[in-house]
Amino acid sequence: NAGVTQTPKFQVLKTGQSMTLQCAQDMNHEYMSWYRQDPGMGLRLIHYSVGAGITDQGEVPNGYNVSRSTTEDFPLRLLSAAPSQTSVYFCASSYIPGGGRDNEQFFGPGTRLTVL
Amino acid sequence: AQTVTQSQPEMSVQEAETVTLSCTYDTSESDYYLFWYKQPPSRQMILVIRQEAYKQQNATENRFSVNFQKAAKSFSLKISDSQLGDAAMYFCAYRSPLSGNTPLVFGKGTRLSVIA
Repeated sequence: NAGVTQTPKFQVLKTGQSMTLQCAQDMNHEYMSWYRQDPGMGLRLIHYSVGAGITDQGEVPNGYNVSRSTTEDFPLRLLSAAPSQTSVYFCASSYIPGGGRDNEQFFGPGTRLTVL
Repeated sequence: AQTVTQSQPEMSVQEAETVTLSCTYDTSESDYYLFWYKQPPSRQMILVIRQEAYKQQNATENRFSVNFQKAAKSFSLKISDSQLGDAAMYFCAYRSPLSGNTPLVFGKGTRLSVIA
């Protein structure tokens, strides 16, 4: 059971480049989400998904796209990277709360992205 | 919208002593979940302890315990017999029990140093 995996661990981009951060989980969780972590800001929600084919915006969605074609995968796409997107990105997954199921969110190891 | 406030950006504690990290939150919901996450220098997010609002008994996990005051909307973390490995960022987080959009709402974190 690998839990939540993210690739790459580190990435440097130039302004205007695009890239995809990969996230996968093997726990059959319906809920998946992407956060970014900036110094002094905690973790802020970018996008989330409650199941395959369903995505929605979080607190800071601008400049990012997501899709959820399978239960396991939830990639985050940067369309045209900007220096303001320099951050550490975390993917997380969990069951949807309710029904007595565990609601703990499990986090991937994070991706440190630098945009020059 | 719910908010989580951690009023102590940094704390320090002597090894083997006890330290308490503060967290307050704002919500109009009567049922919810509260979490403390630890983020060591490896940046992995690790669940330390959780509390369900409908449970009056304070949660305890080994050296970690919480003081949950529902009326005051306070959720502090007590670390007893502090160890060098406890040095990390600690995040308080809130989660609604409602299905659908149930992200974690994080505080901005408290950096804990442990002095040998």
